[in-house]
Amino acid sequence: EVQLVESGGGLVQPGRSLTLSCVASGFTFSNCGMNWIRQAPGKGLEWVAYISSGSSYIYYAETVKGRFTISRDNAKNTLYLQMTSLRSEDTALYYCARADPMGSSRNWFAYWGQGTLVTVSS
Amino acid sequence: IQLTQSPSLLSASVGDRVTLSCKGSQNINNYLAWYQQKLGETPKLLIYNTNSLQTGIPSRFSGSGSGTDYTLTISSLQPEDVATYFCYQYNNGWTFGGGTKLELK
Repeated sequence: EVQLVESGGGLVQPGRSLTLSCVASGFTFSNCGMNWIRQAPGKGLEWVAYISSGSSYIYYAETVKGRFTISRDNAKNTLYLQMTSLRSEDTALYYCARADPMGSSRNWFAYWGQGTLVTVSS
Repeated sequence: IQLTQSPSLLSASVGDRVTLSCKGSQNINNYLAWYQQKLGETPKLLIYNTNSLQTGIPSRFSGSGSGTDYTLTISSLQPEDVATYFCYQYNNGWTFGGGTKLELK
């Protein structure tokens, strides 16, 4: 069974940093691209970042480019999102999601974690 | 690519045929998916590549479209279909539509 478990969310002041983690199981993590997607309270979905299986290809939404860094450790089956210079508008539930099909950047998301809540407030 | 979903709110009765629309600002080349999100739950993939039904999704859900215009159809609305539906394009970058909230009349 595919499982994605996010952690690392919490309350953080504007301008500060936070790192999210997503531990994967139930599939060969090193073969799959991964994504971060967020959802502000009561709002829609926003794709945030993508990383290919071997970290060769990385893409960001314009809203987070230069502030967020996606990375992965295939030996630990873990995906990361390092967030810096946080703003109130970054407040959201952050999901990690597996990219399908494997090997394509034109991907949809069949498997999602339950999300970790990031609240940016003073 | 921007995605515009319509209507933003839809009220329908059990058994109704329901159609949700998603329009792109550019050609999406059929790289379009649909998600269902019930209150307090994680989004669930319904359809990918415009009309491919995800495993385990009831056959009353179907997708169609081409170019910039795409549709999700529920052939016979069931009470458990009450949710917000998002379209999502992956032809050029990755963007979601704003959602259509589907409620029972």
